[in-house]
Amino acid sequence: SQTIHQWPATLVQPVGSPLSLECTVEGTSNPNLYWYRQAAGRGLQLLFYSVGIGQISSEVPQNLSASRPQDRQFILSSKKLLLSDSGFYLCAWSVPVGSGNTIYFGEGSWLTVV
Amino acid sequence: AQSVTQPDIHITVSEGASLELRCNYSYGATPYLFWYVQSPGQGLQLLLKYFSGDTLVQGIKGFEAEFKRSQSSFNLRKPSVHWSDAAEYFCAVGFNDMRFGAGTRLTVKP
Repeated sequence: SQTIHQWPATLVQPVGSPLSLECTVEGTSNPNLYWYRQAAGRGLQLLFYSVGIGQISSEVPQNLSASRPQDRQFILSSKKLLLSDSGFYLCAWSVPVGSGNTIYFGEGSWLTVV
Repeated sequence: AQSVTQPDIHITVSEGASLELRCNYSYGATPYLFWYVQSPGQGLQLLLKYFSGDTLVQGIKGFEAEFKRSQSSFNLRKPSVHWSDAAEYFCAVGFNDMRFGAGTRLTVKP
């Protein structure tokens, strides 16, 4: 069966420090991969999605970036965190379009920028 | 631009009453449509989904949703709400780009 792992689960970082959140999926090949941010009262914001290695689509022009170095690995990064980057970050995967594209979520990472 | 809207931020219903949560979308073509539920401190759980075919889809926990192409809507319904249904509900639409609405928080009164 498929599983998704996301870490770290919680993170407290000072303003201006770098960020790296990592996500891996097991039990499937060539999944679509996603990064979402859930801020209080604002629902789930799509940050990045990827349909293949090295293919990243960005939805928000902020100081965040994403990379997909391997088929089932998705990394969210920042060179310098802002206070507004605080939130709950969710990695997700899906079987690509044509098979329904149901999204499955990881357990999330709480980021607090201080 | 593609978007999904959940007009109701917060809904309160009495236990046993019926429920309808609204979802509207704007896409170039009919996207895949989903409803998810998130209980406090929990992850997101898929309730139901629509890809094609019958426009009334059944999901888990007694929920159903109806796709109306003419209204670009995918509203979630339940005939009789239980106290355990209190949670945040998210509509999601898209193809490879899956976009979520802002959510509707459901409170159930005893």
